[in-house]
Amino acid sequence: EAGVAQSPRYKIIEKRQSVAFWCNPISGHATLYWYQQILGQGPKLLIQFQNNGVVDDSQLPKDRFSAERLKGVDSTLKIQPAKLEDSAVYLCASSLADSSTYEQYFGPGTRLTVT
Amino acid sequence: AQSVSQHNHHVILSEAASLELGCNYSYGGTVNLFWYVQYPGQHLQLLLKYFSGDPLVKGIKGFEAEFIKSKFSFNLRKPSVQWSDTAEYFCAVNNGNTGKLIFGQGTTLQVKP
Repeated sequence: EAGVAQSPRYKIIEKRQSVAFWCNPISGHATLYWYQQILGQGPKLLIQFQNNGVVDDSQLPKDRFSAERLKGVDSTLKIQPAKLEDSAVYLCASSLADSSTYEQYFGPGTRLTVT
Repeated sequence: AQSVSQHNHHVILSEAASLELGCNYSYGGTVNLFWYVQYPGQHLQLLLKYFSGDPLVKGIKGFEAEFIKSKFSFNLRKPSVQWSDTAEYFCAVNNGNTGKLIFGQGTTLQVKP
């Protein structure tokens, strides 16, 4: 079974530029999560999708971050404009359903450096 | 708000030493508890989980964890570590309603051969 795919793996941009990350979840997984992991901290949920609907985006900085999951499969996360403090690893995870007992499978992450 | 605290940020052990990593959470309701591991250069993966029942849960690679409700704790243990256990370990909880995970800050374990 293929895992969660993410691209790009690394990205370096200057502040005020825009950037987009892509995630392809495990086939059949209805729930998709985007987490932000700043160096030295644990991952923090940015947004959770159930199929193509948003379940939780309470910690997404909506003035600069946006995410979509068209057709309920792939998802993109965008930052525009980027700030220095956005430097982090952006993790995508998926699970079978929006249930607290379902295991989340994580992708390799995209390491973003904002200079 | 829910939070998770991991007591040790960086642990260094010799092979065959015993391991215990502390994890405490703050939430008064039903919780599900997890330990995730990230080996160097690899993805985050599930080590073990607790939903209900026996508070002593066993995971992969000889790890176990004990849920102590009265102490809001879910400590990870392994009787004898190996060099291959070198990794970063994350404790996480969710509130039993949705899948949203709250992670601790992680503990880096370095095992010396």
